[in-house]
Formats: sequence, structure tokens, C-alpha cells
Amino acid sequence: AQSVTQLGSHVSVSEGALVLLRCNYSSSVPPYLFWYVQYPNQGLQLLLKYTTGATLVKGINGFEAEFKKSETSFHLTKPSAHMSDAAEYFCAVSEGTGNQFYFGTGTSLTVIP
Amino acid sequence: GAVVSQHPSWVICKSGTSVKIECRSLDFQATTMFWYRQFPKQSLMLMATSNEGSKATYEQGVEKDKFLINHASLTLSTLTVTSAHPEDSSFYICSASRVISTGELFFGEGSRLTVL
Repeated sequence: AQSVTQLGSHVSVSEGALVLLRCNYSSSVPPYLFWYVQYPNQGLQLLLKYTTGATLVKGINGFEAEFKKSETSFHLTKPSAHMSDAAEYFCAVSEGTGNQFYFGTGTSLTVIP
Repeated sequence: GAVVSQHPSWVICKSGTSVKIECRSLDFQATTMFWYRQFPKQSLMLMATSNEGSKATYEQGVEKDKFLINHASLTLSTLTVTSAHPEDSSFYICSASRVISTGELFFGEGSRLTVL
């Protein structure tokens, strides 16, 4: 069985500060890991994904995440927060292509000017 | 590439009527489409998985007679909320995976249903 835990349903950072959103997963097979962003009343947009290969993954808008198998984590970071980063962020895991996704409960990011 | 379009984005209907939401993959063929429901400030709840040409697989607790899903082609899936009631008001999101999958899901923009 697969599951995703996002620690912290709400995170607030100052503009220009480091963004760190935490995601831990459980999976019985090598996982595919994803971060999606959702703006109000919109669908989900892929930020980045890990399937195989390099464990440090770079995504859009300056975000990156590192797959750490030993810690079963896939935390999302961005060195310097922008106001436009304020949104809901979802971590997700799947067992591979065509398989069901399991989403975390989401983290709402607030950026303080 | 890999655009998924949902229509309508917003719909308001009277209690007892039926509403159809369309989900189209615009530039790729989707073997599988997923329908989610999202309550305010909450995560996505998977309602059903549909494969082209076959019956949808519904998650436990989701009424299949209430939420009719049709996946008639590799680019179109529809969700019909039958005899809608105010408690069906929600944000519905579809997603699709490609025939030649890259592992990720592509999401529609979502459809906000309000039942009066």
C-alpha cells in the first residue's frame, strides 16, 4: 500500500526566504514521486517529478526536490519565495506508469511581503 | 503539450437536475482518466478510474448510479452528476495518463458545481 504524508498543512514564509515543504511516503515498490501546485479554483499543475535517475530533481519556477530513499522523503524547496508562489501544494506517489496516484493532504503556502 | 481541458469551468444548477462535465485530452491519447472530487481546503478524493471502452471502476463509497462516468474515446471522458443535490456541490477535477505514459498525470482545470 502506498501513502503520502505532508507535514504542516500551512506554511508561511517571508518573501525572499527559503521555502521548504515536507513530504514523506510509504511504498512497497520503487515509487514515482510528484509535486503539484494548485491555484484557487484551478486544476493541478506539475512542478516536478522523480521516476528514476538523478535524485535531485529540478522543476518549474525555481523549485526542486530531492528523493531520499533512506528517509522515504521527497521534500520540496525553493531558495527564495515570491509572492506568486502562494498556493496549495500537493505531493503524490504512484507505483509507476498508468497506476493510481496517492495524494498527500496538501500544504497551503503563504508568502508574507 | 499534454493539455487536458474540462468543461464547463463553473456550473450552477437546480436541485434534481443532472449535470454533465466533460474532460478532453487535447493533444494526446489517454488510456486512463481519473475523476476526483475536492472539498474546500482539502486534498483530492479519487472517485473513479475510467479506461476507454470499458466500465469505470468506482472507489468505495462513491455511488456509481449517482456519478455516471463514460469514457467513449481515447480523448474524452464525461462525468454526469444525476439528480444533483446541494451536497453534491464541489470542485470536480479530471486527470489523464497518456497511452505512452511518462508516469505523470495531466490535470484539467477543474469544474465548480453549485447545486441550489
